[in-house]
Amino acid sequence: GENVEQHPSTLSVQEGDSAVIKCTYSDSASNYFPWYKQELGKGPQLIIDIRSNVGEKKDQRIAVTLNKTAKHFSLHITETQPEDSAVYFCAASPTLRRALTFGSGTRLQVQP
Amino acid sequence: DGGITQSPKYLFRKEGQNVTLSCEQNLNHDAMYWYRQDPGQGLRLIYYSQIVNDFQKGDIAEGYSVSREKKESFPLTVTSAQKNPTAFYLCASSLGGTGQGRAFFGQGTRLTVV
Repeated sequence: GENVEQHPSTLSVQEGDSAVIKCTYSDSASNYFPWYKQELGKGPQLIIDIRSNVGEKKDQRIAVTLNKTAKHFSLHITETQPEDSAVYFCAASPTLRRALTFGSGTRLQVQP
Repeated sequence: DGGITQSPKYLFRKEGQNVTLSCEQNLNHDAMYWYRQDPGQGLRLIYYSQIVNDFQKGDIAEGYSVSREKKESFPLTVTSAQKNPTAFYLCASSLGGTGQGRAFFGQGTRLTVV
């Protein structure tokens, strides 16, 4: 089945710096890749997603890039703010199972 | 107010008891999902349903059961066969049953075995 690996597991940046989180996936037929933000004690919130026919997508300070050949995708957050501090999860949608497979998460801490 | 509602927010269960977690959505979504989250870990798929009266096992279905009698409801029962049920349980739904539509999560139920 699909396997999604996510790095780093923790990331600390200074306010205003950029943060990058990377994921790799194993199922070459996967074609949908969302990113979620989870605050403590809450459910994950979808923040951005990308499909395999697109290489990059931006939404204000966040962007996602996809390299289908290498089977990896990344989340980029620019001009980080303290409220960006949370756990971020990547996911991929495998073809044989119609449900998302998640990475292990990245705890992002933005230092004021 | 549209969305996914999980109840209760906190649940305590004695060893050997079955307990049912509720998940309701009013988004008219076809697909619904249950994930388990352990501290500091990712989300693992328990069960999912692409359509009413149909559901499939995920990666960690042992000790759990589900039903999908109505489009808007997908309750999860944690049975006494589940050896380590203490965890944060998350329900999600998405439009369409392909698994490739945007999935939205409820606020979770934290289950503790006492």
